[in-house]
Amino acid sequence: DTAVSQTPKYLVTQMGNDKSIKCEQNLGHDTMYWYKQDSKKFLKIMFSYNNKELIINETVPNRFSPKSPDKAHLNLHINSLELGDSAVYFCASSQGGSGNQETQYFGPGTRLLVL
Amino acid sequence: SQKIEQNSEALNIQEGKTATLTCNYTNYSPAYLQWYRQDPGRGPVFLLLIRENEKEKRKERLKVTFDTTLKQSLFHITASQPADSATYLCALYNNAGNMLTFGGGTRLMVKP
Repeated sequence: DTAVSQTPKYLVTQMGNDKSIKCEQNLGHDTMYWYKQDSKKFLKIMFSYNNKELIINETVPNRFSPKSPDKAHLNLHINSLELGDSAVYFCASSQGGSGNQETQYFGPGTRLLVL
Repeated sequence: SQKIEQNSEALNIQEGKTATLTCNYTNYSPAYLQWYRQDPGRGPVFLLLIRENEKEKRKERLKVTFDTTLKQSLFHITASQPADSATYLCALYNNAGNMLTFGGGTRLMVKP
């Protein structure tokens, strides 16, 4: 029943490791996003994909690589994790287009802690 | 530079009163503005959207105004309830950037 789901919900790992976060939406939306929410609660766009194609990349380090195997999935792979990567990562989706179609539906978040 | 500002201090009000939250922006020409609610440990949930040519939008106890001259949106919750306690985020959609940019949110605490 969940519209946008993410796994894992919590991720604790050591500096230097590589990890992935998975996201799936069952809303039939064309566009998916990754956001990072830091300790000050600012929600910042990282990437946006439309129909499996990258349309937004907001100056995110190359260590972050999104992968969209199909339009219902957008995974985030992070190489060589750093302490500053600790945050909550949210996946979201929207229908695409304009007006109300840009309403975004968010997943529950993945809490990443890098030690 | 572009900024979206929401009051970072928590807003504490008594149950039954009207809560008013403010979102100010600079150097944006938003096509529309959205308000989201975020509860602790959860993702944001969409509440209302208001377009640049609309002055006011209502949904049940919620009301949003949008003044593109003042570059400000106000979000009102009438007859507030403790269940309304959450962080409220405003977000601007700028056609030029083709993306939604969020403010830092304001935490609302409604006391019984």
